[in-house]
Amino acid sequence: AQSVSQHNHHVILSEAASLELGCNYSYGGTVNLFWYVQYPGQHLQLLLKYFSGDPLVKGIKGFEAEFIKSKFSFNLRKPSVQWSDTAEYFCATSNFGNEKLTFGTGTRLTIIP
Amino acid sequence: DTAVSQTPKYLVTQMGNDKSIKCEQNLGHDTMYWYKQDSKKFLKIMFSYNNKELIINETVPNRFSPKSPDKAHLNLHINSLELGDSAVYFCASFGQGYGYTFGSGTRLTVV
Repeated sequence: AQSVSQHNHHVILSEAASLELGCNYSYGGTVNLFWYVQYPGQHLQLLLKYFSGDPLVKGIKGFEAEFIKSKFSFNLRKPSVQWSDTAEYFCATSNFGNEKLTFGTGTRLTIIP
Repeated sequence: DTAVSQTPKYLVTQMGNDKSIKCEQNLGHDTMYWYKQDSKKFLKIMFSYNNKELIINETVPNRFSPKSPDKAHLNLHINSLELGDSAVYFCASFGQGYGYTFGSGTRLTVV
């Protein structure tokens, strides 16, 4: 069974700091990888996704993620965070042919002005 | 136009009651889901339907019964509500090459 690990439960940063949130997945076959953001009281929004091709994926709001197959990782990065990035971030995976999304436990990001 | 819409947005009810949450998508996707987000923000799939047919049924109590009258609708009926059912329930749809779209969630509070 697939599983997704997000080791950072709560990250606190100052504005303009650089961000990297970790995500590791367990499935060894072909996977699709996603990062979602959930702003307080809101629904999930897709930040970026990886299906195939260039392992460096650019998403919305200045986020990017790098798929490293050898490390089973898909870490999320942003060079300079803003206060408005305060939210919960979820890494998720689905394997080809099974569209069930398996989520990590989420990372709460708090940006201090 | 809202792509995946859920009603109601908030639902407060007493233990033992039966309630339904409705979901509709206008994206033409074949696959729809119900996810549950607990108080610790953990998201877990409950059910998945593809073109009105149940394809995923995770370990969910029998009190939860999904119904899909057509591929654009997936409703969730819950019998004999318990305190532990309090959560946010998200509906989602999936389209090949398009990905997932989530609804805005239904916050269920059982008192």
